[in-house]
Amino acid sequence: AQKVTQAQTEISVVEKEDVTLDCVYETRDTTYYLFWYKQPPSGELVFLIRRNSFDEQNEISGRYSWNFQKSTSSFNFTITASQVVDSAVYFCALSEAETSGSRLTFGEGTQLTVNP
Amino acid sequence: EPEVTQTPSHQVTQMGQEVILRCVPISNHLYFYWYRQILGQKVEFLVSFYNNEISEKSEIFDDQFSVERPDGSNFTLKIRSTKLEDSAMYFCASDGVRWNEQFFGPGTRLTVL
Repeated sequence: AQKVTQAQTEISVVEKEDVTLDCVYETRDTTYYLFWYKQPPSGELVFLIRRNSFDEQNEISGRYSWNFQKSTSSFNFTITASQVVDSAVYFCALSEAETSGSRLTFGEGTQLTVNP
Repeated sequence: EPEVTQTPSHQVTQMGQEVILRCVPISNHLYFYWYRQILGQKVEFLVSFYNNEISEKSEIFDDQFSVERPDGSNFTLKIRSTKLEDSAMYFCASDGVRWNEQFFGPGTRLTVL
């Protein structure tokens, strides 16, 4: 069975601080995908990144970066120089399939509040 | 950019009534999903649909739920006799064959009174 744990329920930072959101996962599959989604107050789910289990390279996209460590089953997300607009709930998710058609298992989410 | 759409955005119903939530997936996608999110909780998988049949369902998806793709564009979730605990945001998602990336609709907020 697959499981995603986001131990940080809420994080509050001041604008321009860096913040890291933790994600730990469990799966018996050797092939899987990991995702991060953002859910702003308006409620929609915004796709941020997909990473497959064979690609352990860290990724940077603007102020966002992701650190995938297979050895510790973690896929952490860092926002550099946070902004008020980053305030949202962030979900980490896991899909146990190399191709499409597999369910996403979500973590509990981390509520990030960035204060001006 | 193509997107998944859902109607209505908000549905209010009385306990025991039937509701149908509608979704229009991205046109060239082949896999379709329903998820739900009870207020303040995580997003939970309900069902996946491929080639006009259910490919996987969760323990939440009991006999009160059904899905259908009636006309080749819409994808619907029906709840036969709603309960108070069905109150949640329901998300539809669709997925192309190559990328294993589910695109989510904006959600339908269902309120059961």
